[in-house]
Amino acid sequence: GENVEQHPSTLSVQEGDSAVIKCTYSDSASNYFPWYKQELGKRPQLIIDIRSNVGEKKDQRIAVTLNKTAKHFSLHITETQPEDSAVYFCAASRGTSYGKLTFGQGTILTVHP
Amino acid sequence: KAGVTQTPRYLIKTRGQQVTLSCSPISGHRSVSWYQQTPGQGLQFLFEYFSETQRNKGNFPGRFSGRQFSNSRSEMNVSTLELGDSALYLCASSSEGSGNTIYFGEGSWLTVV
Repeated sequence: GENVEQHPSTLSVQEGDSAVIKCTYSDSASNYFPWYKQELGKRPQLIIDIRSNVGEKKDQRIAVTLNKTAKHFSLHITETQPEDSAVYFCAASRGTSYGKLTFGQGTILTVHP
Repeated sequence: KAGVTQTPRYLIKTRGQQVTLSCSPISGHRSVSWYQQTPGQGLQFLFEYFSETQRNKGNFPGRFSGRQFSNSRSEMNVSTLELGDSALYLCASSSEGSGNTIYFGEGSWLTVV
């Protein structure tokens, strides 16, 4: 089955710096890659996603890049703010698997004021 | 539009008992999936239902089961509870109309003592 590896497990940055989280996946048939942000005690919230026919997608301070050949995708957060502090999860799924996401282990991002 | 609603939010059960968790998807969403979140194992897919049929299943024992009703509401049941079943159980819904983007509920916190 699909396996998703996520690095780093913890990331500490200063406010205003950039943060990058990387994920690799094993199933070459995966074609949907969402990123979720989960604050303590709350639900995972979708922050951005990318599909395999796109190499990069940007939404304000957040961007995701996908390299299908290397089977990895990355989340980039620029101009980080303290409210960006949370756990970030990457995930992957096949188009035919709909509600079945395979998640990475998560990255605890801490943004210091 | 109301989000994904889960009940109960918190519950404590004794080892050997069974538990039923309920989920109401976003209006118009026909796919409902369930995930288990624990500190050690992260977010793991349990199963997914679409139009009252189980469409995908994760690697969990048969003690974990679910169903979906004609109004797309879903329930999951865990029988013969074990201490290791203590977790946050997340329900998520999606629709083909929204590109199969998956939205999570707030979860049900289950503690087994």
